[in-house]
Amino acid sequence: DGGITQSPKYLFRKEGQNVTLSCEQNLNHDAMYWYRQDPGQGLRLIYYSQIVNDFQKGDIAEGYSVSREKKESFPLTVTSAQKNPTAFYLCASSIFGVPSTDTQYFGPGTRLTVL
Amino acid sequence: GEDVEQSLFLSVREGDSSVINCTYTDSSSTYLYWYKQEPGAGLQLLTYIFSNMDMKQDQRLTVLLNKKDKHLSLRIADTQTGDSAIYFCAGRSGNTGKLIFGQGTTLQVKP
Repeated sequence: DGGITQSPKYLFRKEGQNVTLSCEQNLNHDAMYWYRQDPGQGLRLIYYSQIVNDFQKGDIAEGYSVSREKKESFPLTVTSAQKNPTAFYLCASSIFGVPSTDTQYFGPGTRLTVL
Repeated sequence: GEDVEQSLFLSVREGDSSVINCTYTDSSSTYLYWYKQEPGAGLQLLTYIFSNMDMKQDQRLTVLLNKKDKHLSLRIADTQTGDSAIYFCAGRSGNTGKLIFGQGTTLQVKP
């Protein structure tokens, strides 16, 4: 089964704790992305990576960190510096560099709640 | 900056057609996408259209693009209760390659 998996589906965190969200894909896609979704809003880009060992900040990177040590994995860490981390987090991937097929496909999401 | 706008809510009767509208500001957008999100789930790609096309049809879905007015619409024929979801319009910036999403339109289908 090819696709993007995110785990866990639900995550609870106490204030002041860092937490890491997992994203794995077996589509052999080069690029991976993290978005944040808040109720009644569109998706906002946190970080993206076009190639292994390289990543760029998106529009709302403050309080988040990522790594891209393997092509298939792009974990997101929500740090204690993120002021309002409760949200739905979506990971996506795409074939980078081929405009006709550079369509982003999304995982099922992780809902993070800070207690 | 780049912006994509959608109306927030649409209610239709089962069997009617639904038309979800979207406007965008980035004239360099190369591709425009429609995604569907069911409650608690990720986004499912429905269809996309390249900026040099006016229309694209895929079974019950018809996408119309008016590039002059920067207006995109998604028509769902014979709307079913299973079509109830949030629909996101997104533009792929020709400058940055990033996707810019609208706020999403909640489609409610009444039996």
